[in-house]
Amino acid sequence: QKEVEQNSGPLSVPEGAIASLNCTYSDRGSQSFFWYRQYSGKSPELIMSIYSNGDKEDGRFTAQLNKASQYVSLLIRDSQPSDSATYLCAVLRNNAGNMLTFGGGTRLMVKP
Amino acid sequence: GAVVSQHPSWVICKSGTSVKIECRSLDFQATTMFWYRQFPKQSLMLMATSNEGSKATYEQGVEKDKFLINHASLTLSTLTVTSAHPEDSSFYICSASWLWDTEAFFGQGTRLTVV
Repeated sequence: QKEVEQNSGPLSVPEGAIASLNCTYSDRGSQSFFWYRQYSGKSPELIMSIYSNGDKEDGRFTAQLNKASQYVSLLIRDSQPSDSATYLCAVLRNNAGNMLTFGGGTRLMVKP
Repeated sequence: GAVVSQHPSWVICKSGTSVKIECRSLDFQATTMFWYRQFPKQSLMLMATSNEGSKATYEQGVEKDKFLINHASLTLSTLTVTSAHPEDSSFYICSASWLWDTEAFFGQGTRLTVV
């Protein structure tokens, strides 16, 4: 089992719809969770961080964390073609210092 | 967010030569810097973890004598690809963090092409 798992996609949604990206992790002691967006040929950029169970909203983005079920998700409301990118889930595992473990990424395609 | 600057953005070198890539944290002191490699349409692959003033920790399968990492200060880490070969052509990305349990910020990446 991979430490951080994501569906590779592509996930295709129409413009204006809600895109839902999911991530599961194996280390139950993980404390911190991050979503990065990576455009083709570019380096990842941080979108959201979440540390406690529940929802965290920032503009069109909502991160959801459920530690009991060991999953974290990212919702993108009113999806735009410019949101088309690969979304990387990253987990800061317990006792791993500040080393992030990344999932394989989900490629999102928002069609006009 | 914090700024991490990576230089150069792209480089083309001849097979057998060495290439140095710099990663700088511009507005914070990075306790740890990470070096990744990413091949086309693949995910990030962690190569090594670099702590200031100590030897880098390399991931399994990464040749430490080929990928030399120096983290001489809290704001600068360098990756030198020695005796580069075409199969080393890839997108190299650094990231840095300044505290335990915090997010990492990425440099712009360096696209290396070995011809």
